[in-house]
Amino acid sequence: AQTVTQSQPEMSVQEAETVTLSCTYDTSESDYYLFWYKQPPSRQMILVIRQEAYKQQNATENRFSVNFQKAAKSFSLKISDSQLGDAAMYFCAYIEVGGAQKLVFGQGTRLTINP
Amino acid sequence: AAGVIQSPRHLIKEKRETATLKCYPIPRHDTVYWYQQGPGQDPQFLISFYEKMQSDKGSIPDRFSAQQFSDYHSELNMSSLELGDSALYFCASRGTDPSETQYFGPGTRLLVL
Repeated sequence: AQTVTQSQPEMSVQEAETVTLSCTYDTSESDYYLFWYKQPPSRQMILVIRQEAYKQQNATENRFSVNFQKAAKSFSLKISDSQLGDAAMYFCAYIEVGGAQKLVFGQGTRLTINP
Repeated sequence: AAGVIQSPRHLIKEKRETATLKCYPIPRHDTVYWYQQGPGQDPQFLISFYEKMQSDKGSIPDRFSAQQFSDYHSELNMSSLELGDSALYFCASRGTDPSETQYFGPGTRLLVL
């Protein structure tokens, strides 16, 4: 079974600084999608960014970018120019292409932004 | 843009009671997923439907059942509720193209007393 591991239960960063959240995953599949979801105190699950495994180029969405290392099965999220509104729980997630495509989540990383 | 709608948003039940959670997917989305997120936990997949048929099943207790209706909305029925069922229940929907992203509803917070 596929597993997703986030080894950092908590991270903190100064406002306007850059922070990187780590994620590793285990799969024998070659085709899959990876995601970062943000869950603020409201507990809404908000998509931050997604990466298709067949794409070598790292995905970018404004201040958010990923470092996707397929051979190492690593998928880290970099947040640049951190803002107070970035404070949330961040979940890394995996979907296998084909089948019902259920999301498999990591344990989450709680990010605190210090003003 | 229209989002996934879940009702009710909050629900308080006693042990051994029954609860029904409803999910209305984004228009033209034909796939629905249910996830359960316990306190301090990551979301866990329960069950999914595609075109009104069950497409996958995860760690869903036998006390729970679900279905998707002709208008694509879905209901999660939970019977003989236990204290451990207290959690946030998410519904997510996805369009026909398997490459599309799942979008989550706001969740239903269930508290079993």
